[in-house]
Amino acid sequence: GESVGLHLPTLSVQEGDNSIINCAYSNSASDYFIWYKQESGKGPQFIIDIRSNMDKRQGQRVTVLLNKTVKHLSLQIAATQPGDSAVYFCAENTGNQFYFGTGTSLTVIP
Amino acid sequence: DTGVSQNPRHKITKRGQNVTFRCDPISEHNRLYWYRQTLGQGPEFLTYFQNEAQLEKSRLLSDRFSAERPKGSFSTLEIQRTEQGDSAMYLCASSPPEGPSYEKLFFGSGTQLSVL
Repeated sequence: GESVGLHLPTLSVQEGDNSIINCAYSNSASDYFIWYKQESGKGPQFIIDIRSNMDKRQGQRVTVLLNKTVKHLSLQIAATQPGDSAVYFCAENTGNQFYFGTGTSLTVIP
Repeated sequence: DTGVSQNPRHKITKRGQNVTFRCDPISEHNRLYWYRQTLGQGPEFLTYFQNEAQLEKSRLLSDRFSAERPKGSFSTLEIQRTEQGDSAMYLCASSPPEGPSYEKLFFGSGTQLSVL
């Protein structure tokens, strides 16, 4: 069955540093991936997405890298700010469903 | 565009009682999803509607759970004879029929259910 997992459950970074959050997926048929940010008491919020025919995509302060060979995703956040503190999930899409990983809790230290 | 709206935000109930949650998706979003999320875990897929048709249900969805979307707009999720293991955040998400956001899920803030 499909599984999406994250390497680190928690991550602490200094304000201004770059953050890297990793995610492994197991379904080689997944063709679309999304990173979500979830703040306490709120629903997941879309950050950035990538299709399987790409290996890198950049947004504002965020970059997603996709390595299909080892089925690995990463989210890079540049110049991390206190407002970036949240839980980050990767999600893979196969058909009509998204499968979510466990999540990484990012804490930004002022 | 007011986003996906879920009501109530919090629900406390006693074991054995029935509960119903409502989700109002973003206007003109034809696809609607229900997910369940427990503490420290990612959302788990429960069911999916395209317009009024329920197209997919997870094996996680026991017979006590039923979802409807009668007019293809808002949806309700009912849990009958609640159990303590049903305590979780129930999230609703919607997606548009076309356009650049076609495959993205837009989530509501969820309904937090506590079964005592």
